Amino acid sequence: SQQGEEDPQALSIQEGENATMNCSYKTSINNLQWYRQNSGRGLVHLILIRSNEREKHSGRLRVTLDTSKKSSSLLITASRAADTASYFCATETGANSKLTFGKGITLSVRP
Amino acid sequence: KAGVTQTPRYLIKTRGQQVTLSCSPISGHRSVSWYQQTPGQGLQFLFEYFSETQRNKGNFPGRFSGRQFSNSRSEMNVSTLELGDSALYLCASSLSGPGANVLTFGAGSRLTVL
Repeated sequence: SQQGEEDPQALSIQEGENATMNCSYKTSINNLQWYRQNSGRGLVHLILIRSNEREKHSGRLRVTLDTSKKSSSLLITASRAADTASYFCATETGANSKLTFGKGITLSVRP
Repeated sequence: KAGVTQTPRYLIKTRGQQVTLSCSPISGHRSVSWYQQTPGQGLQFLFEYFSETQRNKGNFPGRFSGRQFSNSRSEMNVSTLELGDSALYLCASSLSGPGANVLTFGAGSRLTVL
């Protein structure tokens, strides 16, 4: 089974709205990361939050981490059509820094 | 600087054949990871190499193998191909500092097995 599970599986919103995506995981982590993938391409790293951090911002992105609930949220504010993509959370675990990805969330932003 | 380069980008094979995929990491990155991406299973971790040694391994059969060369370039090989091996194979490199293993991905090699 996946270490990280994203929720919802698919999200469709209007341009200008905020998009919230959630990720839950099972074991203790070194950090949690979010990546974006445009159709048929490789993934692009968005943001990393360490296990001792609770919130992090990067431009229109805001990530929260709740280690007691083993969950994270990615918020994209004022979404744009160009944000249409699949979003993956990835958890880094262990001394060997293994990264495990969830199955991803498909975000569609309607113009 | 140049990104992660994967070759070939597309290939078609038949069942029973074998395939070798290549990955050139970002200069200075010593870790190379491989993932298999399919619509049904998402991103599945295959293995990771660091300084020519396999450091992490996923749950794939022995038909899937890899190696890393002294210049950090990596190859993965799949022998006795099955229809279910059709997928996008993604390679990623990183500096792999502890607790901050941020991956830079290549564009992928799309394998179709007929």
